Amino acid sequence: DSGVTQTPKHLITATGQRVTLRCSPRSGDLSVYWYQQSLDQGLQFLIQYYNGEERAKGNILERFSAQQFPDLHSELNLSSLELGDSALYFCASKPGPPMNTEAFFGQGTRLTVV
Amino acid sequence: ILNVEQSPQSLHVQEGDSTNFTCSFPSSNFYALHWYRWETAKSPEALFVMTLNGDEKKKGRISATLNTKEGYSYLYIKGSQPEDSATYLCALGGFKTIFGAGTRLFVKA
Repeated sequence: DSGVTQTPKHLITATGQRVTLRCSPRSGDLSVYWYQQSLDQGLQFLIQYYNGEERAKGNILERFSAQQFPDLHSELNLSSLELGDSALYFCASKPGPPMNTEAFFGQGTRLTVV
Repeated sequence: ILNVEQSPQSLHVQEGDSTNFTCSFPSSNFYALHWYRWETAKSPEALFVMTLNGDEKKKGRISATLNTKEGYSYLYIKGSQPEDSATYLCALGGFKTIFGAGTRLFVKA
């Protein structure tokens, strides 16, 4: 158990809908990263937060947004969902800087858009 | 755009074989290089974090080396076992922590 909790584990929704994925980082970790893994692809970096502030952005669509709350949990909001958004979404946490620390991953949320 | 490349994409070996794979990355603005092991239906788990040119890390039968000047890292597995079957990911550390696509290792008993 990495200490990172993601909910829900599975989500099935229709095209055009909006969903929220939740991540609770390890106790004390200030950094949260979101990744998307689509079929047969590697982990694509979406966005990173540190202590409530957005620090880095990757290939995140405009239909997607995220935030990190004062209690350090994070939510990834996906709207106007398309079939191609079906993927495994991972959250990872780190204590924060320095950047050479390892990341601890949650079990992922599998999103299926039908 | 940071680009982390791993080769080969997949590898099939027999139990007992030793194997290695490569991670290539841009050598400028280097912070750290991470290796992760990712088993099917689980989440990635950290193997090593390396920061200095010439770093060598070892954990059991698995070891890794780092060359930051030329931008590559090797991961070695000695005497592969079926339980080593997994995807091995490298990642360039930083605010974005960019992952390579991974090398998928299959070890046949």
